[in-house]
Amino acid sequence: GAVVSQHPSWVICKSGTSVKIECRSLDFQATTMFWYRQFPKQSLMLMATSNEGSKATYEQGVEKDKFLINHASLTLSTLTVTSAHPEDSSFYICSARTSGSPEQYFGPGTRLTVT
Amino acid sequence: AQKVTQAQTEISVVEKEDVTLDCVYETRDTTYYLFWYKQPPSGELVFLIRRNSFDEQNEISGRYSWNFQKSTSSFNFTITASQVVDSAVYFCALSGQGNTGKLIFGQGTTLQVKP
Repeated sequence: GAVVSQHPSWVICKSGTSVKIECRSLDFQATTMFWYRQFPKQSLMLMATSNEGSKATYEQGVEKDKFLINHASLTLSTLTVTSAHPEDSSFYICSARTSGSPEQYFGPGTRLTVT
Repeated sequence: AQKVTQAQTEISVVEKEDVTLDCVYETRDTTYYLFWYKQPPSGELVFLIRRNSFDEQNEISGRYSWNFQKSTSSFNFTITASQVVDSAVYFCALSGQGNTGKLIFGQGTTLQVKP
């Protein structure tokens, strides 16, 4: 149980285009989802926290107009990287948790390369 | 402010050696959770353990053991009789009671186990 999927697992896009990444909780209802970014040989950095039906809360330094997060249902959150640039190339990981539980379940990650 | 420090950036051992990965944390919360994750080259995070702040009992799971000491704010991880398959990046993480469950990750320790 407690499986989180991400789609796509990897994507290559051209600079200036937008990319959408999906995060789904397959067998539980995720009241909260988190989006992390990980650059090579670095740690995971939280980008934003999203609660179902509410606007996402972004961490300091993360551009909310560039990284659009939607958490429209209890099983799906999306991250859209708008007008992507090469410096946005990174490994994006989502996680999900249910209300009241300290446990977070991580997706397998999406590797984004912007050319 | 909450912070997790993994002072060891890289560790290299020979198979069958024991190895300890250090984790020191900072928090003002009285209730918090500590985690260890393994990240193999595939990138997907593998959950290893969760500990809450009220449970200082050490835990052993097969070749893995954890030593939680609130007095020194440490949550160290020991692998006994290491194997090549243990080679990965290991992250220690902290989740406090007042931060909506978001995880604060340490910098990670890259473990290389040589045959």
